Amino acid sequence: NAGVTQTPKFQVLKTGQSMTLQCAQDMNHEYMSWYRQDPGMGLRLIHYSVGAGITDQGEVPNGYNVSRSTTEDFPLRLLSAAPSQTSVYFCASSYSGTGNWGEQFFGPGTRLTVL
Amino acid sequence: EDKVVQSPLSLVVHEGDTVTLNCSYEVTNFRSLLWYKQEKKAPTFLFMLTSSGIEKKSGRLSSILDKKELSSILNITATQTGDSAIYLCAAGDNYGQNFVFGPGTRLSVLP
Repeated sequence: NAGVTQTPKFQVLKTGQSMTLQCAQDMNHEYMSWYRQDPGMGLRLIHYSVGAGITDQGEVPNGYNVSRSTTEDFPLRLLSAAPSQTSVYFCASSYSGTGNWGEQFFGPGTRLTVL
Repeated sequence: EDKVVQSPLSLVVHEGDTVTLNCSYEVTNFRSLLWYKQEKKAPTFLFMLTSSGIEKKSGRLSSILDKKELSSILNITATQTGDSAIYLCAAGDNYGQNFVFGPGTRLSVLP
C-alpha cells in the first residue's frame, strides 16, 4: 500500500513552460486535493475533487488546471509557469465515509522552482 | 473571505513543558476543525473536531473546539524534542473538502 505518491520530487522550469505534476493514491479515496505551501502561509487549496469526473476550485486556482478521469489519479497542470508559482506542492486524499472525510493523507510533495 | 489565524506563530520551550497552541477561524458554513503536525515533509493528521466542547485526546496531545468562540486549542503536555514541528490548523466547510489552513505554529522543544 503506497498511500499517496507524487512525481517528480523536484522540478525546475523556465517562465512560460508548462508541466504536469502527477498524483496517485491506492487507498480508493474519493476525495483528492492539491495544495501549495509557501513560507509563512500554511497550505493553500488550489483545486479539489470529490470523485472521478468532478473537480472544483479552491482558494488559488489561477494558472492551474486539473482533471479526474479515474479515482486513483489527480494530475495538476501548470499552463504557463510563472516565478510566483515557485512553491512546494502537496497532493492529499481522504475517504468520504462518515467520520473519515477530514483525515487527509498527504503525498511527500513536489518542490517546484520557476526561473 | 474565509480565514484561519494561529497563535503564537513561533514558540520555544524546554522538554517537559506544557504548551497550548491557539487557532481561530472565520469560515462560512463551518463544519470541522482539523489539526496536523508537519515535520520535515508532509503534514500528518492529528485530530478532527466537529462538536463543541468535546475533547479529543491522543497520548500527550489533546484538542478541544469552542464553536461559540470560533476557536480551538491544541495542548501538548510533557513536551519532548520529537514534538518539534509546525502545527497546522485547518477549518472545513459543509461541502467536505474546501479546507482553509492557518499559517501554522512552529514549535521548538529544547532538551
